[in-house]
Amino acid sequence: ELKVEQNPLFLSMQEGKNYTIYCNYSTTSDRLYWYRQDPGKSLESLFVLLSNGAVKQEGRLMASLDTKARLSTLHITAAVHDLSATYFCAVQNTGNQFYFGTGTSLTVIP
Amino acid sequence: DAGVIQSPRHEVTEMGQEVTLRCKPISGHNSLFWYRQTMMRGLELLIYFNNNVPIDDSGMPEDRFSAKMPNASFSTLKIQPSEPRDSAVYFCASSRPRGQIYEQYFGPGTRLTVT
Repeated sequence: ELKVEQNPLFLSMQEGKNYTIYCNYSTTSDRLYWYRQDPGKSLESLFVLLSNGAVKQEGRLMASLDTKARLSTLHITAAVHDLSATYFCAVQNTGNQFYFGTGTSLTVIP
Repeated sequence: DAGVIQSPRHEVTEMGQEVTLRCKPISGHNSLFWYRQTMMRGLELLIYFNNNVPIDDSGMPEDRFSAKMPNASFSTLKIQPSEPRDSAVYFCASSRPRGQIYEQYFGPGTRLTVT
């Protein structure tokens, strides 16, 4: 079974700082997704990464994929309070089934 | 598009009662997924359907859980009898292929409390 690990599980950071969330997975896949979940809300799609070396950016968030290392990163630049949420990565298997990571709970402190 | 619709949004029931959760996927999506989210276990896939056919139900906890998709626009997840450990948020998600992309769109969830 495909396993997906995220770290850190919890992240508290000051506004204006940079940080990276890591997503490691256990078997070959070249399709990876990042989602955001606000407290008490549903999951919202952020990025779709389809190939080795793929990089996507939206505002202060940038996601990348290294399929050889089986690693994706979500980089946060100059964090602001509005980014406080839980972030999930999900790896797609050869079918259309997703395997979700444990999530990283991000709190941005003023 | 209205997105994925789930009902009810909140359900409080007593142990032993039957609970039915409902989901309407996005029109045109041919895959539907049921997930359960708890603090202890995170986000778990319970079952998914492709073209209304159950493909993988290995995540269904036990025989008390059952899911159906009688047509492309409706699915149910039933728990009978319910137990306190079933308390969780249940999400429905749908998707359709766009090339290699199978991006899943999540509904608002049903928060189930079993007392």
